[in-house]
Amino acid sequence: DGGITQSPKYLFRKEGQNVTLSCEQNLNHDAMYWYRQDPGQGLRLIYYSQIVNDFQKGDIAEGYSVSREKKESFPLTVTSAQKNPTAFYLCASSIGKSTEAFFGQGTRLTVV
Amino acid sequence: GENVEQHPSTLSVQEGDSAVIKCTYSDSASNYFPWYKQELGKRPQLIIDIRSNVGEKKDQRIAVTLNKTAKHFSLHITETQPEDSAVYFCAAKKTQGGSEKLVFGKGTKLTVNP
Repeated sequence: DGGITQSPKYLFRKEGQNVTLSCEQNLNHDAMYWYRQDPGQGLRLIYYSQIVNDFQKGDIAEGYSVSREKKESFPLTVTSAQKNPTAFYLCASSIGKSTEAFFGQGTRLTVV
Repeated sequence: GENVEQHPSTLSVQEGDSAVIKCTYSDSASNYFPWYKQELGKRPQLIIDIRSNVGEKKDQRIAVTLNKTAKHFSLHITETQPEDSAVYFCAAKKTQGGSEKLVFGKGTKLTVNP
């Protein structure tokens, strides 16, 4: 199944609550990414990480936070500061320079 | 930062015809250009990629061309089949200060009519 797992598949959140999306990979990949997918917007980069304990903001980092305490894990927290959090979130990983990124199956977050 | 523009946003072709999707990128330091296919409800999957030291790459019915001077690259699908119907994304990747950033275009929805 590609070795990269996102959970849960569907997630519902009340306004004002923080929520954490899980992303785990057993591919021994160094790089990990979080993208948000909205209709007609493509894949927009939220955060990315090259090594443990280091990560960089992408193009739409406001209202999100991440951690990279372990090589295989890159959780994304959607905070209450994110004004429009309802979206499909995709995690990806790659072994490094100029190589293919593998995607997880995604988490669909809905704010209710 | 890097910006990737993709055109067209939708493309409809008859089965057996060719399809071409074009992308431009802004950062001349980008050196890796993958193309992904995303079927409805599924994750994006790599279909072909090209590195900056190569001008063209082909894999059966799929080919990608890269023009570094003009900063654009294209996906060509020949003899299209209904199962080619999907959303296609181009992307560009660069290394900056030891860190890599993978930026995607907005996607092209391809419909192949039987």
